[in-house]
Amino acid sequence: EAGVAQSPRYKIIEKRQSVAFWCNPISGHATLYWYQQILGQGPKLLIQFQNNGVVDDSQLPKDRFSAERLKGVDSTLKIQPAKLEDSAVYLCASSLDMRGNTEAFFGQGTRLTVV
Amino acid sequence: AQSVTQLGSHVSVSEGALVLLRCNYSSSVPPYLFWYVQYPNQGLQLLLKYTTGATLVKGINGFEAEFKKSETSFHLTKPSAHMSDAAEYFCAVIRSYTGNQFYFGTGTSLTVIP
Repeated sequence: EAGVAQSPRYKIIEKRQSVAFWCNPISGHATLYWYQQILGQGPKLLIQFQNNGVVDDSQLPKDRFSAERLKGVDSTLKIQPAKLEDSAVYLCASSLDMRGNTEAFFGQGTRLTVV
Repeated sequence: AQSVTQLGSHVSVSEGALVLLRCNYSSSVPPYLFWYVQYPNQGLQLLLKYTTGATLVKGINGFEAEFKKSETSFHLTKPSAHMSDAAEYFCAVIRSYTGNQFYFGTGTSLTVIP
């Protein structure tokens, strides 16, 4: 079974530029998550989708971050404009559904460096 | 209040020694508890989880954890550390019975000394 795929693996941009990350979840997984992991910290949930609808985006900085999952499969996370404090690893995860005991599977992440 | 707290951001053990990584959770969250491991430049991999049933949970790579409701703890243990266990370990909870949103602790970095 293929895992969660993310691209790119690494990205370096200058502040105020824009950047986009792509995620392809495990086939058949209805729930998709984007997490931000700052160095030395645990992952923080940015947004959660159930199929193509947003379940939770309470911690997404909506003035600069946006995410979509138009067809309920792949997802894109965008930052525009980027700030230095956005330097982090962005992890995509998926789970079969939203039941509270369902494991989430994580991709390898995209490491973003903003200079 | 924090949903999950990991005590000790760095733990060092000798190869062959007992590994104990501590995790306490808020009693206000459902009893859905997870341990994930993260190797350098990798995503998170599930080690084990507790949802219902037996309170002693066995996971991959010889790890296990015990759900103790009275202590609101879910500590991770392994009887004998191996060099390959060196990694970052995260305890996670789900804060509601619906929604399946994972909330992670700050992590514990495990170093294994040869």
